[in-house]
Amino acid sequence: EAQVTQNPRYLITVTGKKLTVTCSQNMNHEYMSWYRQDPGLGLRQIYYSMNVEVTDKGDVPEGYKVSRKEKRNFPLILESPSPNQTSLYFCASSPGLADPYEQYFGPGTRLTVT
Amino acid sequence: EDKVVQSPLSLVVHEGDTVTLNCSYEVTNFRSLLWYKQEKKAPTFLFMLTSSGIEKKSGRLSSILDKKELFSILNITATQTGDSAVYLCALTPTGNQFYFGTGTSLTVIP
Repeated sequence: EAQVTQNPRYLITVTGKKLTVTCSQNMNHEYMSWYRQDPGLGLRQIYYSMNVEVTDKGDVPEGYKVSRKEKRNFPLILESPSPNQTSLYFCASSPGLADPYEQYFGPGTRLTVT
Repeated sequence: EDKVVQSPLSLVVHEGDTVTLNCSYEVTNFRSLLWYKQEKKAPTFLFMLTSSGIEKKSGRLSSILDKKELFSILNITATQTGDSAVYLCALTPTGNQFYFGTGTSLTVIP
């Protein structure tokens, strides 16, 4: 089944404790992206990647890192999480520049930082 | 700064009603406008609009773009309870950066 998977689905952590949210897609998509969704603010793009080893900042990259060492994986790293990073996070992928728009979203990761 | 504004914020209708959701935008460069449906989980893609005046249709849903007036509408006819969801509008100026509106929450009452 074609899908985007995220792990963990739920995470409660404390301020400053490094964490990684994994994202994997099995559709051989070139483009991948991370979003956060907050009430009243909608979906905001954190980082995106056009291909392996190619990443770029979205609208709200501060406090986040990403890497794209393999085509299928695009982990989101919070080196020192803070409470304002409490949010619902979505990973998405799409085939590439020729058809970048129909993004397939993962199920979401709900992160709480205390 | 690129911006997407959706209205209304929320809407409650009865089954069978027709609804119109609005999306207006400001953008330095325009490539496409997209509509998504979100039902308590991940957003799912509905439409992509690139050219003005060309209506996209899928069953009871349709959407159209006006690039001169910088807005798009999403119409849902003969609404059903399964249409209850948050509808998101997104703009991409480049094809790889995306700006989403805050969404319109639609509730359809039986």
